[in-house]
This record gives sequence, structure tokens and C-alpha cells, in this order.
Amino acid sequence: DAGITQSPRHKVTETGTPVTLRCHQTENHRYMYWYRQDPGHGLRLIHYSYGVKDTDKGEVSDGYSVSRSKTEDFLLTLESATSSQTSVYFCAISSGTSGTDTQYFGPGTRLTVL
Amino acid sequence: AQTVTQSQPEMSVQEAETVTLSCTYDTSENNYYLFWYKQPPSRQMILVIRQEAYKQQNATENRFSVNFQKAAKSFSLKISDSQLGDTAMYFCAFMNYNNNDMRFGAGTRLTVKP
Repeated sequence: DAGITQSPRHKVTETGTPVTLRCHQTENHRYMYWYRQDPGHGLRLIHYSYGVKDTDKGEVSDGYSVSRSKTEDFLLTLESATSSQTSVYFCAISSGTSGTDTQYFGPGTRLTVL
Repeated sequence: AQTVTQSQPEMSVQEAETVTLSCTYDTSENNYYLFWYKQPPSRQMILVIRQEAYKQQNATENRFSVNFQKAAKSFSLKISDSQLGDTAMYFCAFMNYNNNDMRFGAGTRLTVKP
């Protein structure tokens, strides 16, 4: 399962509150990713990281920020949650060193913004 | 931007029969990867099979095989001897050789009937 955990697994929050989701990996992978999954859209990339303190935007980055202060942890923050950010969030790692190898996914976090 | 289209939102198949899921993609690149992921009700994203565009030979993994038609930009998944445990959402995904932006199709919900 590539040693990926996500926390929390479920969260309900209110509009306007900050939310941080955590992705933790145990196998020292360089590349980490955050996706969101919505009906009819498959998975869409939010942000990714290619090393400690090195991050870049994906297809749907507006309203999200990320941080990676340690190799094993990649945090996704919603500074002020909105109902449109209700989704299932997946973290992933790349199995290789270039970032273009197979991605393996964590178990997902279901976030509901009321 | 690359797009991935799965034209069959839902499909069903009888246990032990064969089913083919369709996927087409749009790109101007020559070097890329294609993937099929399975998402059972547990929500975990599981890699089924991977194809590298420069390889002419179709990838196979046990009961799963692909028909990769590069000129037609088509990447279908064939499941042989379908089993009840194959019931899941199946996502086709595309990734350029030179970047980290994996694009997913909207998915096909497959039901295997006893």
C-alpha cells in the first residue's frame, strides 16, 4: 500500500473555518501529490511537491495551500473552507525519482463543508 | 491541456464473462504513460495496469489487458473471467513523460453480476 496514511479520514467543518489535511508516508518518496475527487470529474490535481519546501500548483489550486517541511509529511490547507471544497481528498506518492512514474494513493479523506 | 474521456459511465457484465472499458485521450505529446486504476467501494485507488507509449506491446496483468492504439489515441481495458470483486469504478489516466500532471477520466462504474 506504499505506506501512505491520511488524517483525518473524515471531517465536517463550517464555511469560513481553516482546515488542514495531513498526508504521511514512510518510504522516503520524493514526490507527493494532493488530488480532489468529485462526481463526474475523476481526480484532479491540486498541488504537488518534489522535495522538502518544493511545491507547485496543479489544475485546481485556487483556495488551497500546501507545505512540506519534512520528507514524510505533506500538508494541504484550506485557509477558509467553502462549500465548493466539499470533496474526497487523496494523497499520492510517485514510485520513482522523476515524478513521472506510477502514483500510489492513500486511503482518502472525506471533507464536508457546511 | 491533455484530456481523458471515458464514454461509458456505467457497465455491467455477468460473472466469468469478458468486458471491455473504453478510454480515449487527447495529446500532442509523443512520450507519455497511460494507467487504469480501480476504485472499489472502499474508496481506495488501486493501480490495475500501466502502459508506456513507446512500447508497442500491450500490457497485461493476469486477467487484465489493454488494447493500446497510439494513432487512434485509444486505451481500452479488457477484463477476462470477470469476478464479483471486480465491481468498482475504473479510471483511465494519462501522464506526460516530462511533467507531473496526471489527468483522469470521469470513470466507468462496472458491476459484475452473479
